Amino acid sequence: GQNIDQPTEMTATEGAIVQINCTYQTSGFNGLFWYQQHAGEAPTFLSYNVLDGLEEKGRFSSFLSRSKGYSYLLLKELQMKDSASYLCAVADSNYQLIWGAGTKLIIKP
Amino acid sequence: GAVVSQHPSWVICKSGTSVKIECRSLDFQATTMFWYRQFPKQSLMLMATSNEGSKATYEQGVEKDKFLINHASLTLSTLTVTSAHPEDSSFYICSAGRGAGDYNEQFFGPGTRLTVL
Repeated sequence: GQNIDQPTEMTATEGAIVQINCTYQTSGFNGLFWYQQHAGEAPTFLSYNVLDGLEEKGRFSSFLSRSKGYSYLLLKELQMKDSASYLCAVADSNYQLIWGAGTKLIIKP
Repeated sequence: GAVVSQHPSWVICKSGTSVKIECRSLDFQATTMFWYRQFPKQSLMLMATSNEGSKATYEQGVEKDKFLINHASLTLSTLTVTSAHPEDSSFYICSAGRGAGDYNEQFFGPGTRLTVL
C-alpha cells in the first residue's frame, strides 16, 4: 500500500531550527510537496522536490532522497507564526497526491 | 501568483438540504481541479479529481451521487453535497492545477466550512 509517515507533533523554541522528517512508500513518484496549514485554514504551498538534493527558500529548506524515500523540511530562525501543521504529500505515478497526517509544530518563546 | 477562490467560506444548513460550493481559479486556467475534505485534526482526504468537460473521478468510498462535481469551465468547478447530514459537516477544500500532469504546484482555495444541523 501507499504510506506517508511524519511525526505527529514537535516542539521548538523561537529563534531555533527545526527539522521535520517525512518518509514515504508510494506506487511511483512524481514529486514531494510540503504544505503549511494553520488551524482552520487551507494549506499553503511551501516547496516541491522532484530531484534529490536541497531546495532553499528563505528560512525554509526542503531536502529529498528518492533512493531512501525520505524528505525533510528545515525551518530556521523560528517565529511564533510558524506554529502550524506541516503536511508532506507525494504525487504518485498517476499524479495523485498521497498525504501524510501532518506534523503539528509548537513554537515556544 | 495563482489565486483560487471558494464560495461560500462557511455555510450552515439543515439536514436533508443540498449545498453547492464553488471553486474558481481567478487568474489562470485550471484543467484539473481537486476536491478535498478535512475532518478536525485529520489530514486532507482527496474526494475526487475533475477535468474540464469530463466526469469527475471519485476516490474509493466517496459517493458520487451524494457529492456531485461539475467542472463546467477552465476556471470553475462546483461541489454539491446533496441531502446533507450532520456527518457531512467538514472543511471542504478545492485546489487547481495547471495542465494535466503538470505538478509543479497545486493552488488551494481557502476552504469552505460546512456545518449540517
